[in-house]
Amino acid sequence: AQKITQTQPGMFVQEKEAVTLDCTYDTSDQSYGLFWYKQPSSGEMIFLIYQGSYDEQNATEGRYSLNFQKARKSANLVISASQLGDSAMYFCAMRGDSSYKLIFGSGTRLLVRP
Amino acid sequence: EADIYQTPRYLVIGTGKKITLECSQTMGHDKMYWYQQDPGMELHLIHYSYGVNSTEKGDLSSESTVSRIRTEHFPLTLESARPSHTSQYLCASTGGGLDGYTFGSGTRLTVV
Repeated sequence: AQKITQTQPGMFVQEKEAVTLDCTYDTSDQSYGLFWYKQPSSGEMIFLIYQGSYDEQNATEGRYSLNFQKARKSANLVISASQLGDSAMYFCAMRGDSSYKLIFGSGTRLLVRP
Repeated sequence: EADIYQTPRYLVIGTGKKITLECSQTMGHDKMYWYQQDPGMELHLIHYSYGVNSTEKGDLSSESTVSRIRTEHFPLTLESARPSHTSQYLCASTGGGLDGYTFGSGTRLTVV
């Protein structure tokens, strides 16, 4: 069974500062993928970043980076230089390679203060 | 431009009505999914399909049903809508392997 845990229901960050959103996971699969999505109030799911379990380097996409610590089973999202438009729900998700089901955590609501 | 389309975007319907939420993708993906999400809450997988004539129930029990007669089309049906079905329904697809998941814009269903 797979499980994603996001322990921060809500977070505040000052504009232009960096913020870390926590995500831990559990799986019995040896090979798996970890995803982060952003969901603004309009409801669509916007893909941010992906980390494969065998990737040796942490994934980065522009202002987004993923702090992947395999032994601790954590995959935290770091947003640098926060912008007002970053205010949204953020979801961590996982897909085990024994199944193509994408399982989500409960999400973190991020509010960027001007 | 969206590669996966959901219609309608918003739907308000009376209790007891039969409804079908449409989901179509143009990417030739064999794997498709339906998620149910209450406002501000997590996404729950309710149905998935790994190909034509293949459908499975997800991790959250749902009174809805799905069909997969064509690769590109994965509709979700509620035979008799109830207020407890009020939610957002999101459709997604992937080609598998290293492909990511593409989501539709969602259908916000309100049953009155």
